[in-house]
Amino acid sequence: AQSVAQPEDQVNVAEGNPLTVKCTYSVSGNPYLFWYVQYPNRGLQFLLKYITGDNLVKGSYGFEAEFNKSQTSFHLKKPSALVSDSALYFCAVRGLGGNTPLVFGKGTRLSVIA
Amino acid sequence: DAGVIQSPRHEVTEMGQEVTLRCKPISGHNSLFWYRQTMMRGLELLIYFNNNVPIDDSGMPEDRFSAKMPNASFSTLKIQPSEPRDSAVYFCASSSGQNTGELFFGEGSRLTVL
Repeated sequence: AQSVAQPEDQVNVAEGNPLTVKCTYSVSGNPYLFWYVQYPNRGLQFLLKYITGDNLVKGSYGFEAEFNKSQTSFHLKKPSALVSDSALYFCAVRGLGGNTPLVFGKGTRLSVIA
Repeated sequence: DAGVIQSPRHEVTEMGQEVTLRCKPISGHNSLFWYRQTMMRGLELLIYFNNNVPIDDSGMPEDRFSAKMPNASFSTLKIQPSEPRDSAVYFCASSSGQNTGELFFGEGSRLTVL
């Protein structure tokens, strides 16, 4: 069964500094990987996904993620953090075999400090 | 375009009462997912439908929970009788038939059972 792990419950970063939110995955076969963001009292919003192709995926709001097959990782990155990036971030994986659900990590809370 | 629409946004009820949560997926999407979010357990998949047919309900906590999708534009999640431990945010999400496609989430229904 597929799974993802987000090893950090909380990440703190100063505004303007680069940020990384970590995610590792476990799946049989080639993975479909996703990142979502959740602001307070809101639903989850899609940021980006990796299906195939370039290992560096660019998404919304200046975020990008790097797929690393050898390390089974899909870390979310942004070169320069904004206070408005403070939110809860979820990594998710979807395996092969039809229109299956996403399996989410526990989430990482990002705090960007001015 | 209208996104996934959930109602009610907030529900406060007393233990033993019946609760019905509603979801209208994005038009044209043929898969619908119900997730539950709590602090302790994160995001849990409860049940999902493809083409209005329930595919996997193994995440439904117990017989008190039931879900239906009578047509492509409407789904309900019912809890009867409700218990305080059911307090959570319930999310509905929909997606197209592509396995590479992302899920689109509603804003959630926050349920409090007293």
